[in-house]
Amino acid sequence: SQQGEEDPQALSIQEGENATMNCSYKTSINNLQWYRQNSGRGLVHLILIRSNEREKHSGRLRVTLDTSKKSSSLLITASRAADTASYFCATVLVLNNNNDMRFGAGTRLTVKP
Amino acid sequence: GAGVSQSPRYKVAKRGQDVALRCDPISGHVSLFWYQQALGQGPEFLTYFQNEAQLDKSGLPSDRFFAERPEGSVSTLKIQRTQQEDSAVYLCASSEDYGGETQYFGPGTRLLVL
Repeated sequence: SQQGEEDPQALSIQEGENATMNCSYKTSINNLQWYRQNSGRGLVHLILIRSNEREKHSGRLRVTLDTSKKSSSLLITASRAADTASYFCATVLVLNNNNDMRFGAGTRLTVKP
Repeated sequence: GAGVSQSPRYKVAKRGQDVALRCDPISGHVSLFWYQQALGQGPEFLTYFQNEAQLDKSGLPSDRFFAERPEGSVSTLKIQRTQQEDSAVYLCASSEDYGGETQYFGPGTRLLVL
């Protein structure tokens, strides 16, 4: 069963604008990860934030995590047409030495040139 | 180096047929995962291998689904007597660490059962 819920389900913006996607989840986590998926392709790992971290940056990506609210956000600054893809959050809980990873349904981002 | 590869990329099967989906993980990666992704949804966990040992198969939807990784590298997901609800993209991921904190995904096999 899926754990995270992304919001919005779909987002359409102009090139150069910022895109913000949110993820809410229900259970405890060890870390939360964001992935990108281009149409017809596999998932590409973007960033991992641990439960004791509040914010993380990677290039044009900024991820925040609020464990008290069980939510995370992914901000893409200065978006490009090439950022058009689906973005998924995945919550991870380590159980029996296995990273139990649960994905949300994703946000479909369209960046118009 | 090469990433995770999967074959075939597309598979059309008639209802009742058996199918076998192959995953070649990144060389040396100890952990291997299979996920099922329905249209418009995120991936859902099926099963996990650590080397050749299948440590978790709790996500397999029925006993028609079977996965193996006999030599701890290539893995095969087999679906027997396919049904229309099996239509989905099947993703394989591998990780160099035990447990798979960071997973590298293959392009997936898109299965359509008619």
